[in-house]
Amino acid sequence: NAGVTQTPKFQVLKTGQSMTLQCAQDMNHEYMSWYRQDPGMGLRLIHYSVGAGITDQGEVPNGYNVSRSTTEDFPLRLLSAAPSQTSVYFCASSFGPGSYNEQFFGPGTRLTVL
Amino acid sequence: GESVGLHLPTLSVQEGDNSIINCAYSNSASDYFIWYKQESGKGPQFIIDIRSNMDKRQGQRVTVLLNKTVKHLSLQIAATQPGDSAVYFCAVPMYSGGGADGLTFGKGTHLIIQP
Repeated sequence: NAGVTQTPKFQVLKTGQSMTLQCAQDMNHEYMSWYRQDPGMGLRLIHYSVGAGITDQGEVPNGYNVSRSTTEDFPLRLLSAAPSQTSVYFCASSFGPGSYNEQFFGPGTRLTVL
Repeated sequence: GESVGLHLPTLSVQEGDNSIINCAYSNSASDYFIWYKQESGKGPQFIIDIRSNMDKRQGQRVTVLLNKTVKHLSLQIAATQPGDSAVYFCAVPMYSGGGADGLTFGKGTHLIIQP
């Protein structure tokens, strides 16, 4: 099992550009989520999904879109990047509800917006 | 809303000593608590969890203690090794406060191992 994979590992964008951060898991987990981590901070929940076709907002959803067309994939879209979105982004998955099950995290995508 | 606080951003210990990392939480309705370890350049990794009906839980070289009276939990690492060097986060469910299905993380304690 590859676990949770994320691409790209690093990305530099200019303000206003769009991009998609990819996340995939091969553990047949129903729950997937996206977190961002800023320097000296804990992780903050952006969006999550409890199954294919179902998504919902987390703590800091503004500026981000998600979709869940398959169990395996959960891409995160930035429609118009802003410097405030400079951060490290982690995707996670779990067998059951994200609040009460061990989360498996990907290696992260480090995004810089100039 | 839910918040998880931390007592020390950095903790330096001698190799072989025991380490204690502390965490405080704000929501008395929190019923599940988790510790994650994050090594440099990697994603967080689950260490141990504890439910609110327990005061103590032990794993391999790690122990989590929960004091619901003062809303405090701690992670104890026995015989600290160089591989324990990482940032340690405590986390609680957002959902127990009526929030989203995810976790609220503390800011983390950076554990530094001195040889």
